[in-house]
Amino acid sequence: QVQLQESGPGLVEPSGTLSLTCAVSGDSISSNNWWAWVRQPPGKGLEWIGEIFHTGSTNYNPSLKSRISMSVDKSKNHFSLRVTSVTAADTAVYYCARQLPSDSWGQGTLVTVSS
Amino acid sequence: DIQLTQSPSSLSASVGDRVTISCRASQDISNYLAWYQQRPGKVPKVLIYGATALLSGVPSRFSGSGSGAHFTLTISGLQPEDVATYFCQKYSDGPQITFGQGTRLEIK
Repeated sequence: QVQLQESGPGLVEPSGTLSLTCAVSGDSISSNNWWAWVRQPPGKGLEWIGEIFHTGSTNYNPSLKSRISMSVDKSKNHFSLRVTSVTAADTAVYYCARQLPSDSWGQGTLVTVSS
Repeated sequence: DIQLTQSPSSLSASVGDRVTISCRASQDISNYLAWYQQRPGKVPKVLIYGATALLSGVPSRFSGSGSGAHFTLTISGLQPEDVATYFCQKYSDGPQITFGQGTRLEIK
């Protein structure tokens, strides 16, 4: 059974960079799956951020594309998200997931953008 | 970009009621539509994919219908544990994934 676990700072300063990692167990990051990030601002809906394949191919949400990047580390079996120039609007619970639509999600991690 | 519009945004129903939630796409997405349930404070859980296919282990009172641009999630015989927010999600047919804005379901 695949398990995903997000990790990273819970607090990021405005204009800074948000960096998160999703550790995958029970499946290889090199399997035939896209690995996704989704976020949910407090009390609001779900927003797809983007996805990455183990080859490094990516698909990003056009509304975030200029500020995000994703990468894969096959040696550690994990994938990562970076969001630059963050503002309070980036405050959210960030989830990683395998191949949307998916029943394999991480538990989510709250990232707050504040000074 | 393809947009998904759910209706209603919230609803209240009684235990045992039949509940329907609509999801309309701004253009034809074939059957590339999934439904999620998110209970308060929990991770979203996929219920249905391919517009009509029920995920293993999901109660049979949940069903999905539709294709093209109009989809429906139906709960036949509402249970207290169904209190949640429900999201539709468009996938495939291009590299973009989109979620509907959600429908909050409460028990009267």
